Amino acid sequence: NAGVTQTPKFQVLKTGQSMTLQCAQDMNHEYMSWYRQDPGMGLRLIHYSVGAGITDQGEVPNGYNVSRSTTEDFPLRLLSAAPSQTSVYFCATHGDRGADYEQYFGPGTRLTVT
Amino acid sequence: DAKTTQPTSMDCAEGRAANLPCNHSTISGNEYVYWYRQIHSQGPQYIIHGLKNNETNEMASLIITEDRKSSTLILPHATLRDTAVYYCIVRGFGRGSTLGRLYFGRGTQLTVWP
Repeated sequence: NAGVTQTPKFQVLKTGQSMTLQCAQDMNHEYMSWYRQDPGMGLRLIHYSVGAGITDQGEVPNGYNVSRSTTEDFPLRLLSAAPSQTSVYFCATHGDRGADYEQYFGPGTRLTVT
Repeated sequence: DAKTTQPTSMDCAEGRAANLPCNHSTISGNEYVYWYRQIHSQGPQYIIHGLKNNETNEMASLIITEDRKSSTLILPHATLRDTAVYYCIVRGFGRGSTLGRLYFGRGTQLTVWP
C-alpha cells in the first residue's frame, strides 16, 4: 500500500514549456486535491476532484488544468510554464466519511521554471 | 470556511509540553478544527481534529474553548522530531463541492531545542 505517490520528485522547465505532474493513490479515495506551496507560505489549493469525472477550481487555478478519468489518478497539467509557477506541488487525497476524515499528502514535486 | 490566527513561531524545550494556540473567532456551529503539521518540506501530516469536545490521540491533545473561538494543540512531551510548522484549519463538513478544500495559513513554526 503506497498511499499517495507523485512523480517526478524534481523538475526544471523553461518558460513556455508544458508538462504533467502525476499523482496516484491506492487508497480508493474519492477526493483528490492539488496544492502549491511557495517558500515561507502555507499551501494553496489549485484544483480538486470529488470523484472520477468531476473537478473544480481552488484558490489559484490559473495556468493549470486537471482531469480525473479514474479514481486512482489525478494529473496536473501546466499548459505554458511561467517562473511564477516555481513552487512545490503537493497532491492529497481523502475518503468520504462525513465530517471525520483526514487528508493524506504525497511527498511533493519540486518544480523550477527558468 | 472560518479563518484562523496563529503565532508565527514558538519554541519549546525537549521533554516539555508544547502548547500551540489558534484563534478562530468566526467559526460556525458545523465547522471542525483540524491540526496538521509539516516537517521540513514534506507533505503535511494530519494530527488531530475536534468539534467542541476536547480530543486526545497518540500524537497530541486538542483543547477547544467552550465558545469554540479558540483552541490549543498540546504536544505533551515534545521531542526534536516535533520541530515543524503546525497548521490550524477550520472547515465545515458535508457532501458537495466544499468537501476536500483545506485552506492553509502560514502556521506556527515550532522549534524544539535540546
